[in-house]
Amino acid sequence: EADIYQTPRYLVIGTGKKITLECSQTMGHDKMYWYQQDPGMELHLIHYSYGVNSTEKGDLSSESTVSRIRTEHFPLTLESARPSHTSQYLCASSETGTNYGYTFGSGTRLTVV
Amino acid sequence: DQQVKQNSPSLSVQEGRISILNCDYTNSMFDYFLWYKKYPAEGPTFLISISSIKDKNEDGRFTVFLNKSAKHLSLHIVPSQPGDSAVYFCAATLSARQLTFGSGTQLTVLP
Repeated sequence: EADIYQTPRYLVIGTGKKITLECSQTMGHDKMYWYQQDPGMELHLIHYSYGVNSTEKGDLSSESTVSRIRTEHFPLTLESARPSHTSQYLCASSETGTNYGYTFGSGTRLTVV
Repeated sequence: DQQVKQNSPSLSVQEGRISILNCDYTNSMFDYFLWYKKYPAEGPTFLISISSIKDKNEDGRFTVFLNKSAKHLSLHIVPSQPGDSAVYFCAATLSARQLTFGSGTQLTVLP
């Protein structure tokens, strides 16, 4: 049973639309992350948060934004979707002071047409 | 600049044989290494990890070896099973900061 939930699993949307990808975890983890992955490529960190009201940009530049108003919730928003945003988006969380293992959600496969 | 590299995009092995997945890294400051397994349409799941102060960690059929001088780690699966067919990602971290992932290796175990 998953402890970190991402919705939707799949999304096909037109160019210019605003979208929000949801991510929620029930484990009380302080740290949460968004990764972007294209087929055959590494996972690229685009955003992370070490706690409520704390967000940082990751290694890969992204036009998306995130918020962390509650510990369990870490949504990602694209104000104006473009075909270049087509990718898989993976949310993860981890607990401070553990063996650094992340728990990942099932991902959102986004296609912008 | 890719700090964690998995140079083999795919690997096929016979059921019952050993699978060896390799990973190289460039940052000698990394202090913890992990392997994740990913099935299609699912998120990665944690498999096994190793601290930089060790050179081997074993968990059932899975063993991870770390060669710090060569900046190389490998994952051994013995014996390989068809259910092991998945994409395997190597990851590394420094001082518990965010993980840096390789590009993955697709393992196919043939029955």
